[in-house]
Amino acid sequence: EAAVTQSPRNKVTVTGGNVTLSCRQTNSHNYMYWYRQDTGHGLRLIHYSYGAGNLQIGDVPDGYKATRTTQEDFFLLLELASPSQTSLYFCASSDGTGGYEQYFGPGTRLTVL
Amino acid sequence: GDQVKQSPSALSLQEGTNSALRCNFSIATTTVQWFLQNPRGSLMNLFYLVPGTKENGRLKSTFNSKESYSTLHIRDAQLEDSGTYFCAAGSGGYKVVFGSGTRLLVSP
Repeated sequence: EAAVTQSPRNKVTVTGGNVTLSCRQTNSHNYMYWYRQDTGHGLRLIHYSYGAGNLQIGDVPDGYKATRTTQEDFFLLLELASPSQTSLYFCASSDGTGGYEQYFGPGTRLTVL
Repeated sequence: GDQVKQSPSALSLQEGTNSALRCNFSIATTTVQWFLQNPRGSLMNLFYLVPGTKENGRLKSTFNSKESYSTLHIRDAQLEDSGTYFCAAGSGGYKVVFGSGTRLLVSP
């Protein structure tokens, strides 16, 4: 079974809308990450967490909140969605940070109209 | 400049041929991951490397930390190898840094 799952897989919302993206991992990993992927930019780190209740800021955090409720679950929140947040979002998990192997979910395609 | 530079940016191969993709690192790198993103967008782990070489079927990857590069060799390319290949550099810091990808198209 897939060890990192994401929901929804596709989401369309309007400017100013409220969106929550969900991620669950069954790898028993401490670290979880949210990335966005845009053409010409590769993957960019939004937020990450090293355990339940912890949140760390990544490279492109503006406009995003995140919450890690359990070791398994990590959520990305867009409280006032804007068209610039239209992107492909990936969640990942790893046993440690930096040099550890990361395992990715299938991605969520978000469109903000 | 780019901390992780991938080359080429795009590549077309005929089925059955061989090729190599490369990543050059301008940041201290202790581990390298290679991924294949399929046309549906999913990222598949191909290799996780400390300095050295790994092989899996028709794919072989090398990470040379002293010269700051990694290569991914594809032997006997097949149609299902088409997609975008990414490398990612890991270090002792909090994140990995991704390259911009190599888009590969394998044709009959």
